[in-house]
Amino acid sequence: DQQVKQNSPSLSVQEGRISILNCDYTNSMFDYFLWYKKYPAEGPTFLISISSIKDKNEDGRFTVFLNKSAKHLSLHIVPSQPGDSAVYFCAACGNEKLTFGTGTRLTIIP
Amino acid sequence: EPEVTQTPSHQVTQMGQEVILRCVPISNHLYFYWYRQILGQKVEFLVSFYNNEISEKSEIFDDQFSVERPDGSNFTLKIRSTKLEDSAMYFCASLRGVGVYEQYFGPGTRLTVT
Repeated sequence: DQQVKQNSPSLSVQEGRISILNCDYTNSMFDYFLWYKKYPAEGPTFLISISSIKDKNEDGRFTVFLNKSAKHLSLHIVPSQPGDSAVYFCAACGNEKLTFGTGTRLTIIP
Repeated sequence: EPEVTQTPSHQVTQMGQEVILRCVPISNHLYFYWYRQILGQKVEFLVSFYNNEISEKSEIFDDQFSVERPDGSNFTLKIRSTKLEDSAMYFCASLRGVGVYEQYFGPGTRLTVT
């Protein structure tokens, strides 16, 4: 039951360039979407979120875009920094619980 | 900055033994959760807890699992008779209240069942 999918298990980006992480979902009942960043041996850290009634939310270097008709969201990080290297999880909220994607490992190349 | 804490960081137990994983959520939060992540897989919802009772649970959360908030600060997950497949990272999370969605996670407890 893969209601939330991140089809790219890994992504490498040059420092200073834009990182774009993608996420697709199937359940139209999800009403809120979140991105979490995770380092090894740590818990997921909340990064940015977006309500289903919006199509864009920006916070500093991070922007999340939501395309409801395509059931697709993306996280843009610009400019990418070495400290951004981590696993990024997309999560969708429905009935107060989070359904996570499988994660994308982002590596920023200095 | 307030944070969710979990103890122990690593628990090793033998199959069939009971384990209790402990969490201290953020103090003014009202909703509490347990998730788990089996190595190499995604983070999976186990259970949510609000107003001293379970509000939702997944198919994973069977009769071997229970949760409790024994006092005003701790939130525990008990596994009565551990199985090998219970080996995973267990994350506790808390949420401030209605109308917000950002759950804050603890660092996790690595449970190893041998």
